[in-house]
Amino acid sequence: DTEVTQTPKHLVMGMTNKKSLKCEQHMGHRAMYWYKQKAKKPPELMFVYSYEKLSINESVPSRFSPECPNSSLLNLHLHALQPEDSALYLCASSQTGTLNYGYTFGSGTRLTVV
Amino acid sequence: QKEVEQNSGPLSVPEGAIASLNCTYSDRGSQSFFWYRQYSGKSPELIMFIYSNGDKEDGRFTAQLNKASQYVSLLIRDSQPSDSATYLCATTTGGFKTIFGAGTRLFVKA
Repeated sequence: DTEVTQTPKHLVMGMTNKKSLKCEQHMGHRAMYWYKQKAKKPPELMFVYSYEKLSINESVPSRFSPECPNSSLLNLHLHALQPEDSALYLCASSQTGTLNYGYTFGSGTRLTVV
Repeated sequence: QKEVEQNSGPLSVPEGAIASLNCTYSDRGSQSFFWYRQYSGKSPELIMFIYSNGDKEDGRFTAQLNKASQYVSLLIRDSQPSDSATYLCATTTGGFKTIFGAGTRLFVKA
């Protein structure tokens, strides 16, 4: 299995809603990431989990709450989002170690906040 | 500010030609270098990584790295219309944080 699976693929939510994005991989990767990408912009790092522990939080607002229940799963809990949070949310995974061999990205969740 | 710079394009090449995509980076501590391809509305896909000076070839793709000049390039030989996409250059200093360039849009004309 060489895939990262993200659900849902599309999500429309109101500013008062609570929703969660899910990500799953079975490649044995022990580093998992959340990125946010706006149209015609590069992906922006939000969070990094290494061995199920949060190792990087790029000063993301608290309305985004990550969770890593086990080595294969990564969630992103959303609450009280703003319209400017509308974007493509990408999950990625990679091997750990001294050399980074690159990411495998999921297909993304396209989020629209209304 | 650690940066990765790319020409945004679009770079337009005829089918069958060589497409040359370039990237410069500011952090001399960068250790690994990547090229991702991203089709419109899709997620990025890793197509090449390189960490030693010189050339690395994989099929129609060749990545070139010059650490002294802080320069990375991607050559696509025999370009096809299916190669039309945005190509993201990215670097990492060996930890988990990868910095992406803004991407170069490539258009291959049939």
